[in-house]
Amino acid sequence: DSGVTQTPKHLITATGQRVTLRCSPRSGDLSVYWYQQSLDQGLQFLIQYYNGEERAKGNILERFSAQQFPDLHSELNLSSLELGDSALYFCASSAQDRAYEQYFGPGTRLTVT
Amino acid sequence: DAKTTQPTSMDCAEGRAANLPCNHSTISGNEYVYWYRQIHSQGPQYIIHGLKNNETNEMASLIITEDRKSSTLILPHATLRDTAVYYCIVRPAYSGAGSYQLTFGKGTKLSVIP
Repeated sequence: DSGVTQTPKHLITATGQRVTLRCSPRSGDLSVYWYQQSLDQGLQFLIQYYNGEERAKGNILERFSAQQFPDLHSELNLSSLELGDSALYFCASSAQDRAYEQYFGPGTRLTVT
Repeated sequence: DAKTTQPTSMDCAEGRAANLPCNHSTISGNEYVYWYRQIHSQGPQYIIHGLKNNETNEMASLIITEDRKSSTLILPHATLRDTAVYYCIVRPAYSGAGSYQLTFGKGTKLSVIP
């Protein structure tokens, strides 16, 4: 158990819909990262937050957005869903001075039909 | 960022040591070598990292060559639960505010055979 929790575990939705994925980091970790893993693209970095502020963006689509709240939990919002958005979405967290030692949650499996 | 090269797949007999190589010939002086693994469809798991000295923890040992152009992750007594994809990632030293994304390549699929 990494200490990072993600909900829901599975999500099935239709094209065009909007979903919200939630992540709670390990206790004390200020940084949260979101990654997407699809069959054809592998694990890809989406976005990073540190103590409520966006720090870095990767290959995140404009239809996707995220935020980190004062209690440090984070949400990833995916809108206008397409079939190609079907993937595993992982959240990770890290301590401030051990930023590359990231602890990943179990992931949310999104299926868009 | 330095590029890494890993074999696509490897087999290891249960109970034997698994030695997973990684080539990072363009690594620069302030870059660390990190290893992660991902057991099927689970979240990636941090294993170990190092700069130039060999490192050991409860999970594995990391051997970095003197010229730092390659490294080997050693699982001393592989078990069936070690079957996973292992990723070698090179990253610069922590420097305060900034981006700390991990870039995962294709990794090495390690199969531990009974």
